[in-house]
Amino acid sequence: SQQGEEDPQALSIQEGENATMNCSYKTSINNLQWYRQNSGRGLVHLILIRSNEREKHSGRLRVTLDTSKKSSSLLITASRAADTASYFCATVSYSSASKIIFGSGTRLSIRP
Amino acid sequence: GAVVSQHPSWVICKSGTSVKIECRSLDFQATTMFWYRQFPKQSLMLMATSNEGSKATYEQGVEKDKFLINHASLTLSTLTVTSAHPEDSSFYICSAPAPGREEETQYFGPGTRLLVL
Repeated sequence: SQQGEEDPQALSIQEGENATMNCSYKTSINNLQWYRQNSGRGLVHLILIRSNEREKHSGRLRVTLDTSKKSSSLLITASRAADTASYFCATVSYSSASKIIFGSGTRLSIRP
Repeated sequence: GAVVSQHPSWVICKSGTSVKIECRSLDFQATTMFWYRQFPKQSLMLMATSNEGSKATYEQGVEKDKFLINHASLTLSTLTVTSAHPEDSSFYICSAPAPGREEETQYFGPGTRLLVL
């Protein structure tokens, strides 16, 4: 089953601009993670934010989590052409440790 | 870092045949592995949880007799698509929980692209 939705489904921006992707989920979570997938490839883990955290940074990535609204956002600053990929949020619930349920994904295109 | 491999990376088969996909954790042990299916331009859908030494747990709507899972050892899980049909054509990805402190995250295999003619 799919946990939630991501918004927008597709995003095209100019290189150097910031990209923001949003994720909403349905159930209580232990943590929320963001993954990246290049076309036709496996997934790469980007960042994890726990349910008791509100914001986390990693390099050019900034993730926020609002458990009251059951939503999260991923901000990529100073985008590069190499950031072109699909981005997925994924949740791990308290009731099913390690089991990850993915959101619908955002396809990000960075125009050079 | 820890790596998960899959074999084969792609396979083409005739309708009605069975296809086996292997998922290996290369430098760590995994008592649990997960199998996902991804159709073009869609998200990953969890199919089943593979458990070493016991039966796999299937998600609702996934036929256990069609998608046979065997977790043969602490480093190997296999997914067999039995009597494959064109609608089974998809990208199959496995994952394993990262060891130690990172266990909340997953390492994903590179995926296997299946085309059933």
